[in-house]
Amino acid sequence: SQKIEQNSEALNIQEGKTATLTCNYTNYSPAYLQWYRQDPGRGPVFLLLIRENEKEKRKERLKVTFDTTLKQSLFHITASQPADSATYLCALAVNSGYALNFGKGTSLLVTP
Amino acid sequence: EPEVTQTPSHQVTQMGQEVILRCVPISNHLYFYWYRQILGQKVEFLVSFYNNEISEKSEIFDDQFSVERPDGSNFTLKIRSTKLEDSAMYFCASSPAGLDTGELFFGEGSRLTVL
Repeated sequence: SQKIEQNSEALNIQEGKTATLTCNYTNYSPAYLQWYRQDPGRGPVFLLLIRENEKEKRKERLKVTFDTTLKQSLFHITASQPADSATYLCALAVNSGYALNFGKGTSLLVTP
Repeated sequence: EPEVTQTPSHQVTQMGQEVILRCVPISNHLYFYWYRQILGQKVEFLVSFYNNEISEKSEIFDDQFSVERPDGSNFTLKIRSTKLEDSAMYFCASSPAGLDTGELFFGEGSRLTVL
């Protein structure tokens, strides 16, 4: 069966450090992968999309890598801030391409 | 900035009752979705809708669920006979084009509590 696995344990880091979150998947052949942010009680918010032919994508302090051989994506937040505290979700398309499946997410806490 | 709006924000219902959750997607978007999130669990796909028909549905989306786009602006999710396990946050989402070209825009959710 298709699985999207993200670190289930919360990640606690100090302000200013780089946070690295991992997304591993099985039984997907994704042409792209998306990352979202979710705050408690709110809907997910899109952050980045990376395609299979892109090894790395950046947006301001965010960086995503995508290794289709390892079946893994890494999500980095550099110079982290307390406002970055949230749950970060990895998402892959279902076979038809008409929907995204989400991982359970990794909770990030950035402390001053 | 355009946004997806959902009503009600919170609904409490008795088991066995019918519930309709309403969504107004972003106006020029073509693809519409419903997701649910049981407390503490992951965001789960229910159904996607394009060109006035269901394009994909998950195993969760059984016969008790239905979706409708009754006019040019609303997109509804109906649960015919609610069960305790239907208690969850239900998110509507829309996208302007296929998912390979961009993102899902989510609403703030409708919290459903079934007693």
